[in-house]
Amino acid sequence: AQTVTQSQPEMSVQEAETVTLSCTYDTSESDYYLFWYKQPPSRQMILVIRQEAYKQQNATENRFSVNFQKAAKSFSLKISDSQLGDAAMYFCAYRRARQLTFGSGTQLTVLP
Amino acid sequence: DAGVIQSPRHEVTEMGQEVTLRCKPISGHNSLFWYRQTMMRGLELLIYFNNNVPIDDSGMPEDRFSAKMPNASFSTLKIQPSEPRDSAVYFCASTARVGVDTQYFGPGTRLTVL
Repeated sequence: AQTVTQSQPEMSVQEAETVTLSCTYDTSESDYYLFWYKQPPSRQMILVIRQEAYKQQNATENRFSVNFQKAAKSFSLKISDSQLGDAAMYFCAYRRARQLTFGSGTQLTVLP
Repeated sequence: DAGVIQSPRHEVTEMGQEVTLRCKPISGHNSLFWYRQTMMRGLELLIYFNNNVPIDDSGMPEDRFSAKMPNASFSTLKIQPSEPRDSAVYFCASTARVGVDTQYFGPGTRLTVL
């Protein structure tokens, strides 16, 4: 079974600074997808960024980028120029076929 | 696009009552997923439909839970009878092509069973 580990239950960052959230996963597959979802206090799950395992290039979405290390099974999220609206719970997720497996989440606080 | 729509957003009920949660997937999406989120267990997949047909319900906790998808634009998750341990946030998600495309989540329904 696939597992997703987020070892940082809580993180904080100063507004306008950069923060990196860690995620590791365990799989024997070579073809899969990785995601970061954001869950603000409203509880909605919002897709932040997605990475296909077959792509070597790291995905980027505006201020959000990932560091995908396939051999190390690591998938970290970097948030640049942090904004107050970035404060949320962030979930790393792994998908193989229809099964989407989530990590336990990292609560990000942005300090003004 | 309005995204995935769920109703109600909040539901408070008493133990033993029937609860029905509703979901409208994104138009054109042919796969729909129901998840449950609790502090203890995180996000769990309950059931998954493809083209209105239940494909995998192995995550449904017990017979008190049932889900239907009578058409491509509507699904329900029913709990009968409800118990306090069913209290959770229930999410519906949809995707255009299962296993390929991203799952988009609805806003969730926060269920409290007293």
